[in-house]
Amino acid sequence: EVRLVESGGGLVQPGGSLRLSCAASEFTFSSYWMTWVRQAPGKGLEWVATIKQDGSENYYVDSVKGRFTISRDNPKNSLFLQMNSLRVEDTAVYYCARGLFYTSYGGWGYWGQGTLVTVSS
Amino acid sequence: QSALTQPRSVSGSPGQSVTISCTGTSSDIGAYNYVSWNQQHPGKAPKLMIYDVSKRPSGVPDRFSGSKSGNTASLTISGLQAEDEADYYCSSYTGSYTWVFGGGTKLTVL
Repeated sequence: EVRLVESGGGLVQPGGSLRLSCAASEFTFSSYWMTWVRQAPGKGLEWVATIKQDGSENYYVDSVKGRFTISRDNPKNSLFLQMNSLRVEDTAVYYCARGLFYTSYGGWGYWGQGTLVTVSS
Repeated sequence: QSALTQPRSVSGSPGQSVTISCTGTSSDIGAYNYVSWNQQHPGKAPKLMIYDVSKRPSGVPDRFSGSKSGNTASLTISGLQAEDEADYYCSSYTGSYTWVFGGGTKLTVL
């Protein structure tokens, strides 16, 4: 069964940095696009970033461009989100997600349990 | 990258049918057949219920169905059950490898 386990969340001050990780197992990690989605407390879901299979192409929501970097380590079956210049509005549960197919445009069939990032002074 | 528009809440009695709408634009829902619907229970991760407008992942009951007309997508749940009470989020591909979600709809089973 596909398994995605996020880690790295925590409390950080505005302007600080944090690196999230997502450990993937039970599927061929290098064959799939991978995505980060976040959810602010009591709010809706927001797509954050997607990375293609070999990591050569990355895409971001406008609000995190230039501050966040999505990356992956295929031999280690790991996905990352480097978050710099964090703002209070980045406070959210961050989910790692995978589509049903290698290149899924129409939805994410597998989700991790999420990791909470709190940006506060 | 404006959020898709969903009603804040809908409700129905057990056994009834409910439909949740998701309105976008000609640049997202209207342009691509890549709409999905996710169910989320409190404190849990989202679960994919519909992908590519109307397809159901393995294991999702056929009580859940999706459709699209123009810039509006819809999720219909027939034969409502207590366990269907949850938040539902639509999402759409918006081109250039970007996606957008709706604001979410809280479904109450009366």
